[in-house]
Amino acid sequence: GAVVSQHPSWVICKSGTSVKIECRSLDFQATTMFWYRQFPKQSLMLMATSNEGSKATYEQGVEKDKFLINHASLTLSTLTVTSAHPEDSSFYICSAGGGSNQPQHFGDGTRLSIL
Amino acid sequence: SQKIEQNSEALNIQEGKTATLTCNYTNYSPAYLQWYRQDPGRGPVFLLLIRENEKEKRKERLKVTFDTTLKQSLFHITASQPADSATYLCAGSADKLIFGTGTRLQVFP
Repeated sequence: GAVVSQHPSWVICKSGTSVKIECRSLDFQATTMFWYRQFPKQSLMLMATSNEGSKATYEQGVEKDKFLINHASLTLSTLTVTSAHPEDSSFYICSAGGGSNQPQHFGDGTRLSIL
Repeated sequence: SQKIEQNSEALNIQEGKTATLTCNYTNYSPAYLQWYRQDPGRGPVFLLLIRENEKEKRKERLKVTFDTTLKQSLFHITASQPADSATYLCAGSADKLIFGTGTRLQVFP
């Protein structure tokens, strides 16, 4: 089945640091990838849709300058949390697929902890 | 606003019994619903997709139904095992996938 790899799985860093998270589709090409955020005991909330070769589409309330998305190839999308603060601590998950009524395939998530 | 609701936060059942999880949608009509399994600290894993014109779909011990009159999907795990213990997420299609908060299933021996 389709495999999506996400790296790193866990990051702890100081407030003010920028953190980059990578999402790769290992065995298929993904023109579209999705970035979600999940707080404990809450549902996955879509942050943005990453489009290969063009600008990402951000959901309402998500700061595009805070969460930079780059989708430079058909197998890689990156999310950079700029100048991270403790309130940015969360579980970030990427996915790929989902076109034409097909399921999305998720990475294993990145636990981000800002001290 | 478009909503997916999974009313049971947690469900505890005995091994061997059938687990039934409920997903309700409001304020829209999804073309399809998806069910995922999520283990602690991991990403969701796709289980089943059912389209609005399908009443039922099965995969091994799993069965999902789609009732457009009740605006509800039921997810069944038959002959449940402790290894089935996880959080199960329902998601409905819209211009994006809308997820419920999940039901945490605990199967005890």
